[in-house]
Amino acid sequence: GQNIDQPTEMTATEGAIVQINCTYQTSGFNGLFWYQQHAGEAPTFLSYNVLDGLEEKGRFSSFLSRSKGYSYLLLKELQMKDSASYLCAVSRLSGGFKTIFGAGTRLFVKA
Amino acid sequence: SAVISQKPSRDICQRGTSLTIQCQVDSQVTMMFWYRQQPGQSLTLIATANQGSEATYESGFVIDKFPISRPNLTFSTLTVSNMSPEDSSIYLCSVEEGTGSYEQYFGPGTRLTVT
Repeated sequence: GQNIDQPTEMTATEGAIVQINCTYQTSGFNGLFWYQQHAGEAPTFLSYNVLDGLEEKGRFSSFLSRSKGYSYLLLKELQMKDSASYLCAVSRLSGGFKTIFGAGTRLFVKA
Repeated sequence: SAVISQKPSRDICQRGTSLTIQCQVDSQVTMMFWYRQQPGQSLTLIATANQGSEATYESGFVIDKFPISRPNLTFSTLTVSNMSPEDSSIYLCSVEEGTGSYEQYFGPGTRLTVT
């Protein structure tokens, strides 16, 4: 089976940096996604890591360690609009590639 | 990126009835998926909609309850059959564009309430 763990909720201050961690256990691992989902809206793609290391994209960075089954999403210079759920999702090969989503981390950004 | 629309955006249905949700994409895509997201929870994959063949269902989901059609590369439907209040959820379709990455683009979702 597969298991994806991430914190349920986090709170951070506008302008600060926050790191959202995700650990996973799965067979056939191909890569790891981060999606953002604002309340009442569909998820939108943020990042996809296949290789170990850090990938930076503007204020958002994502890190992957395949050997440790670990990823994090780093958000810098937090803005109020970053208040959303952040979904860690694993791409795995199982009769075709499938994406399995974690439960998500709800981030509250306060002034 | 692909633009995806879903109909209806929301509905309130009586138990025992069925609802068909439509998903339309503005470009041809190989992979289409149907997810369910219950209030406050993450997305659960229901099935992969395959063009020209039967859908591939995940554990816990069966064709009789969630029949899926995929008549072409831009359209799919999901039917929620013989509904009960436990089927109240948001149903989302998504696509992979098949451009070498596996990122998915999601439709706006259909909010279903079963009374």
